[in-house]
Amino acid sequence: KAGVTQTPRYLIKTRGQQVTLSCSPISGHRSVSWYQQTPGQGLQFLFEYFSETQRNKGNFPGRFSGRQFSNSRSEMNVSTLELGDSALYLCASSFSLQGNEKLFFGSGTQLSVL
Amino acid sequence: GNSVTQMEGPVTLSEEAFLTINCTYTATGYPSLFWYVQYPGEGLQLLLKATKADDKGSNKGFEATYRKETTSFHLEKGSVQVSDSAVYFCALSAPYSSASKIIFGSGTRLSIRP
Repeated sequence: KAGVTQTPRYLIKTRGQQVTLSCSPISGHRSVSWYQQTPGQGLQFLFEYFSETQRNKGNFPGRFSGRQFSNSRSEMNVSTLELGDSALYLCASSFSLQGNEKLFFGSGTQLSVL
Repeated sequence: GNSVTQMEGPVTLSEEAFLTINCTYTATGYPSLFWYVQYPGEGLQLLLKATKADDKGSNKGFEATYRKETTSFHLEKGSVQVSDSAVYFCALSAPYSSASKIIFGSGTRLSIRP
């Protein structure tokens, strides 16, 4: 069974640009969550999707957005990139919305903003 | 509110040494407790968990016991290997809730010398 797949693995952007990251969950998983990981702030929850609807959102500005498709694949978008957006972005999937006991993470997308 | 505090890293040990990574928590009710591991270049993987007081989670030679009286969930391993070098995250969450409710510690980087 394939794991959680995130693409691309690495991204380099400049300030002001926008970026889209993709996450394919484990087959059969319907819940997808996104996290930002930085050395200073650790792991911070961005948002969570289930059945194409955003169910929870973390404390991030509106420049951060996401969506989920009918096949459960998810994308997140960051517009008007800032230097502070440089981070590892992790996606996690679970079977249900109450899936915190069985959460599976992808390897992440390392975003560098220059 | 709920929180997790784990020991600062980095922790450097020689192969076959005994490992303890301390984790204490503050929470209302009876949270589930987790240890996640992040190997270089990868996402987080669930290492072990415990869902009630005095439960012992174990996996790959690692153990942690849910101590409600001391609000602790320390990670231990009797004999570490070079392959255990990674970042370890302690986390808590209300049982069977959404991924958005998981609170992660700041992570402890472990390096094992051959």
